[in-house]
Amino acid sequence: EAGVAQSPRYKIIEKRQSVAFWCNPISGHATLYWYQQILGQGPKLLIQFQNNGVVDDSQLPKDRFSAERLKGVDSTLKIQPAKLEDSAVYLCASSLGYLTGEQYFGPGTRLTVT
Amino acid sequence: KNEVEQSPQNLTAQEGEFITINCSYSVGISALHWLQQHPGGGIVSLFMLSSGKKKHGRLIATINIQEKHSSLHITASHPRDSAVYICAVGIQGAQKLVFGQGTRLTINP
Repeated sequence: EAGVAQSPRYKIIEKRQSVAFWCNPISGHATLYWYQQILGQGPKLLIQFQNNGVVDDSQLPKDRFSAERLKGVDSTLKIQPAKLEDSAVYLCASSLGYLTGEQYFGPGTRLTVT
Repeated sequence: KNEVEQSPQNLTAQEGEFITINCSYSVGISALHWLQQHPGGGIVSLFMLSSGKKKHGRLIATINIQEKHSSLHITASHPRDSAVYICAVGIQGAQKLVFGQGTRLTINP
């Protein structure tokens, strides 16, 4: 079974630039999560999708972050414009449903904003 | 105060030692997860439990719902067990996970 795919794996940008991350969840998984993990901390949920609808985006900085999950499969997370404090690993995860099972994580995208 | 607290934050031990990592939480939960994160970022789910105890190989996870506490044990530890171990809880009624800050485990040969 293929796992959760993410790209790119690494990205370095200057502040005020834009960046986009892509995630392909495990086939059949209805729920998709984007997390931000700052060095030395646990992951923090940014947004949760159930199929193509948003379930929770309460911790998403909506002035600069946006995410979509068209057709309920792949998802993209965008930052525009980036700030220094956005430097982190962005993790995508998927599960069969709302906490009905384990979450499967992708390898993450390490973003460095200079 | 964080909703999920882990201890210790860092742990260094010798190969073969018995390891215990603790997790305490302050909210009602639907389930508790133990995750393993290796350098490079990849996260693997080890256990999901809502009561009692689970065992997988050398790993054992226990949870005490009344005391709001869980432990992850590693028997006969090995250098390949070196990783960050993260406790996460599913918040009752909120359908999301809240993560602890992680415990960095280093097993020396």
